[in-house]
Amino acid sequence: TQLLEQSPQFLSIQEGENLTVYCNSSSVFSSLQWYRQEPGEGPVLLVTVVTGGEVKKLKRLTFQFGDARKDSSLHITAAQPGDTGLYLCAGEYGNFNKFYFGSGTKLNVKP
Amino acid sequence: EAQVTQNPRYLITVTGKKLTVTCSQNMNHEYMSWYRQDPGLGLRQIYYSMNVEVTDKGDVPEGYKVSRKEKRNFPLILESPSPNQTSLYFCASSSGTVGYFGAGTRLSVL
Repeated sequence: TQLLEQSPQFLSIQEGENLTVYCNSSSVFSSLQWYRQEPGEGPVLLVTVVTGGEVKKLKRLTFQFGDARKDSSLHITAAQPGDTGLYLCAGEYGNFNKFYFGSGTKLNVKP
Repeated sequence: EAQVTQNPRYLITVTGKKLTVTCSQNMNHEYMSWYRQDPGLGLRQIYYSMNVEVTDKGDVPEGYKVSRKEKRNFPLILESPSPNQTSLYFCASSSGTVGYFGAGTRLSVL
């Protein structure tokens, strides 16, 4: 059983479209991170959110942390082929420094 | 350049033959950890270390050992590998949150 549920698992869209990826849990996170992973490489940290209701922007990417710190979303505006990859969320629970990852959302942006 | 270096990148071995996957970081981070990545299961934490000589179990520690004798190195040891340990392994280091990952070690146990 995954502690963190990510949806959708797969997403294939055309260049220029918008999309949202969700990360949900029944537990409260101390912090939550979003990563992007390309084939043959390790995950690369995109953002960390720690405060309920927090919104962070990274160019065309907007990250939101739920008020209750149980869920998060990643919104990409005007997706580009370079956004293609596996997006992972990771939550840190009460026991500091133990991290749990979602199973990922595989995004394919077609030119 | 900030780096987490894992070796080897690829390894094929047989059941029961002890192996070590090395991990080294050049950022003077205190926190290091090991993960395995399996299809449909995402990344699962195996072990982590808060500092030299301080290690603790993650979510799936069975069949693995680690050591942290120096700050920069955090090797993963499989004393008697089994086929269910076939996976993609990642080492990570961080100054707070899990920030930097190595490129991964693809292990096949026959």
